[in-house]
Amino acid sequence: GAGVSQSPSNKVTEKGKDVELRCDPISGHTALYWYRQSLGQGLEFLIYFQGNSAPDKSGLPSDRFSAERTGGSVSTLTIQRTQQEDSAVYLCASSFRGRDRTYEQYFGPGTRLTVT
Amino acid sequence: GDSVTQMEGPVTLSEEAFLTINCTYTATGYPSLFWYVQYPGEGLQLLLKATKADDKGSNKGFEATYRKETTSFHLEKGSVQVSDSAVYFCALSDREGAQKLVFGQGTRLTINP
Repeated sequence: GAGVSQSPSNKVTEKGKDVELRCDPISGHTALYWYRQSLGQGLEFLIYFQGNSAPDKSGLPSDRFSAERTGGSVSTLTIQRTQQEDSAVYLCASSFRGRDRTYEQYFGPGTRLTVT
Repeated sequence: GDSVTQMEGPVTLSEEAFLTINCTYTATGYPSLFWYVQYPGEGLQLLLKATKADDKGSNKGFEATYRKETTSFHLEKGSVQVSDSAVYFCALSDREGAQKLVFGQGTRLTINP
């Protein structure tokens, strides 16, 4: 079946511009996560959505970062007034609760963001 | 907060060598443990997992055992292949709530023929 898809695969933007990154999770997966992979910080959690519950935004690095999930499916991560330190690969993952009560996360290919 | 520490890379081995990548963790609760792999040019894939003490996760010839007494989850493979060349990430998650993953820094593995 189809996996997690993300678009665009690459995005180059100028410092100060806003960008939107999109994630299409696996159909039927109730949980959706955003992570960031950068050379200096490794893999970091950003935000988590589960069903209709309020999102867990505890990993967002600043108020320039926001995300929404429409209709319990597609999610958009928005970065306002981009800075060079925002350059990274942004990964989306979706999951469902397995019989062992673990959320097994399936990752998309990522969006490589470069801020010039 | 919770954290994961992996052995530093890069690691370079010859084909058919024995592989160990060390991973230790610090957690306030009783986490689930994972190994993820990132092949060149590809996304992160779950390699194996263990959800309770003394459980052994295994997949594609790789194994890791959840050791609560030593807070470790070392990855092992008896005979590596060139196709195992990748970056390996150890990770943990809480067993409740968001279950967000906390990752180690990754270990780049290169297998030479």
